[in-house]
Amino acid sequence: DTAVSQTPKYLVTQMGNDKSIKCEQNLGHDTMYWYKQDSKKFLKIMFSYNNKELIINETVPNRFSPKSPDKAHLNLHINSLELGDSAVYFCASSPRLAGVNTDTQYFGPGTRLTVL
Amino acid sequence: DQQVKQNSPSLSVQEGRISILNCDYTNSMFDYFLWYKKYPAEGPTFLISISSIKDKNEDGRFTVFLNKSAKHLSLHIVPSQPGDSAVYFCAASAIGFGTYKYIFGTGTRLKVLA
Repeated sequence: DTAVSQTPKYLVTQMGNDKSIKCEQNLGHDTMYWYKQDSKKFLKIMFSYNNKELIINETVPNRFSPKSPDKAHLNLHINSLELGDSAVYFCASSPRLAGVNTDTQYFGPGTRLTVL
Repeated sequence: DQQVKQNSPSLSVQEGRISILNCDYTNSMFDYFLWYKKYPAEGPTFLISISSIKDKNEDGRFTVFLNKSAKHLSLHIVPSQPGDSAVYFCAASAIGFGTYKYIFGTGTRLKVLA
């Protein structure tokens, strides 16, 4: 039973395409996140959702659109993919909003996106 | 501007010895710090945390030390084991200021040699 799961694990696509990454957590957490780890290994927050409400949008291009159909899911849709979007994308969840209390974040295994 | 820095990208330690991983931060509002461990092809997993009201927190073989005046924290692993070989990220947050997020360092790859 994977606590935080992401699909797909690997994604190779051409520039200009539109793709989605799905994330599901079965921990009953209220808050979910998307992080990007780029080639320099920085792990940066992109979005956070608390009870399906967008809390953080960290100056991410509007080609990236998160969608939270319910508390257990946070999907990431990327339009018009660019070379610079190549990275590992991690989904995470926490019981409550992290950075406001000391709740631990639980990460998914990551999705390695390669844009050709 | 990277507010959380891990200046050593890698570290090799002999099994049984102490591993010391370092992390520096620049934002004096940070009041909560965490260490995560990451194996290849997996997401980071929480290891240990410390609040700024403490200077030390211990959990088994893992101890985190916080030096607020130097804006420095370190993770000590004693004794180191081959299974500890992983990338270690430190992260920080300004909980008291409600920043709603953690800022991560770039990680240090620890290799424990058998």
